[in-house]
Amino acid sequence: GQQLNQSPQSMFIQEGEDVSMNCTSSSIFNTWLWYKQDPGEGPVLLIALYKAGELTSNGRLTAQFGITRKDSFLNISASIPSDVGIYFCAGLGATNKLIFGTGTLLAVQP
Amino acid sequence: KAGVTQTPRYLIKTRGQQVTLSCSPISGHRSVSWYQQTPGQGLQFLFEYFSETQRNKGNFPGRFSGRQFSNSRSEMNVSTLELGDSALYLCASSLAPGTNEKLFFGSGTQLSVL
Repeated sequence: GQQLNQSPQSMFIQEGEDVSMNCTSSSIFNTWLWYKQDPGEGPVLLIALYKAGELTSNGRLTAQFGITRKDSFLNISASIPSDVGIYFCAGLGATNKLIFGTGTLLAVQP
Repeated sequence: KAGVTQTPRYLIKTRGQQVTLSCSPISGHRSVSWYQQTPGQGLQFLFEYFSETQRNKGNFPGRFSGRQFSNSRSEMNVSTLELGDSALYLCASSLAPGTNEKLFFGSGTQLSVL
C-alpha cells in the first residue's frame, strides 16, 4: 500500500530538547495532518494544515505545510516525557483517502 | 461525549477462520472508515462507509468486507484468515465524507492469526 516517507524513523532525546521530523510525498496533497499514537491506542490528531506555506501551532507543537504541497514538517519544542509515542503524518488528496507516513518513534529520557 | 468504541480489543483466531469486528462512531458522526495497521505496512486504508453505503475502498482483497447500519455503527469482516492478517484494525469516524481531516480513531482491535 501507499505510504508517505517520514523521517527520522526514530529519535531518542533528552527531556527539554527540541524535535523535528518531516514527511515527503511524490504526490500533491490538499491537506496535511499530524497524529500521535500512544501504545495500545488509536492515533490522535495534533495539527491540521490546509494551505501551502501554512504554519500552525498547538502548544509546543508547530507544523508547516510545504510550499510544493509535497511535504510537511513537525517541530516539538522543549520535549517532555509524555511526548513519547509514534508520530504520523498523513496527506489527503483528490481521492479523499488519507495516506499515512511510516511513523517516527519518539523516546524522551527524563 | 463518548469516543469511537471498538470491540473486541483483542482477538485470537486461526488460519481459515473468519472474524467480525465492530465499531460504534462518535454520536452524530455518520462516516466510518477502517484502517489496518502493521509494523511493516503502517496504516493502510481499508474502506469508508456513509449512509450504509461504501463510499471509498482501499487495495485489499475481497476477503475484507464491511457494512454500516442505519445507526451508523459499522462492522468489518475478514474471511478465510491468513497469518498476514494479524494487525491492529482501527476504526475512525467523522461527521461526513470529505471531512477526513476531522477523523477520530478508536483504540483498535488487535487481531492475531495463528
